[in-house]
Amino acid sequence: RKEVEQDPGPFNVPEGATVAFNCTYSNSASQSFFWYRQDCRKEPKLLMSVYSSGNEDGRFTAQLNRASQYISLLIRDSKLSDSATYLCVVNVGNSGGYQKVTFGTGTKLQVIP
Amino acid sequence: NAGVTQTPKFRILKIGQSMTLQCTQDMNHNYMYWYRQDPGMGLKLIYYSVGAGITDKGEVPNGYNVSRSTTEDFPLRLELAAPSQTSVYFCASSYWGSNQPQHFGDGTRLSIL
Repeated sequence: RKEVEQDPGPFNVPEGATVAFNCTYSNSASQSFFWYRQDCRKEPKLLMSVYSSGNEDGRFTAQLNRASQYISLLIRDSKLSDSATYLCVVNVGNSGGYQKVTFGTGTKLQVIP
Repeated sequence: NAGVTQTPKFRILKIGQSMTLQCTQDMNHNYMYWYRQDPGMGLKLIYYSVGAGITDKGEVPNGYNVSRSTTEDFPLRLELAAPSQTSVYFCASSYWGSNQPQHFGDGTRLSIL
């Protein structure tokens, strides 16, 4: 089983739609989680951290389910500018501060006019 | 704020040539990383460093070398360029601690012909 798994998509959704992505992780010791956005031929950019209680940033909501070992990203009222690949990132840290960072391969979103 | 700066942005090499990809960050981050991303694929970790003088191999280190003589700089060296090393290379950095996200440079696009 891969350490971090995402549905590659593409997810083709009309403008204004709500879309959700899931990301599963295999290491139960994983400590922190992030969603990144990557535009075509650009660098990944941090979209949001994922907190245990769930968190929201405008139209974006991230949630963590430790029992089932997955995180999710919900995008409401999709805009054309949301078209991108969304990367799930999982950090496993230890008491020494070392962090093993694993990126998912990404889910591609295409928002259609 | 400069953040993570990579040079050059584009480069074409001939097979067997050598070059160094430069990466510098001005955020006083302890951790630095080199990734490669092939077209349509996810990020693959080449090397990483947890501080000056300390480096370690990632998932795909063969054909590359790194050094970390200062906190700010983390150059990646290709000694004998091969066509399989044609890729986009991203440098990233982060603070110490598993809850710290990575910040990326805007990449170096390398073609080996």
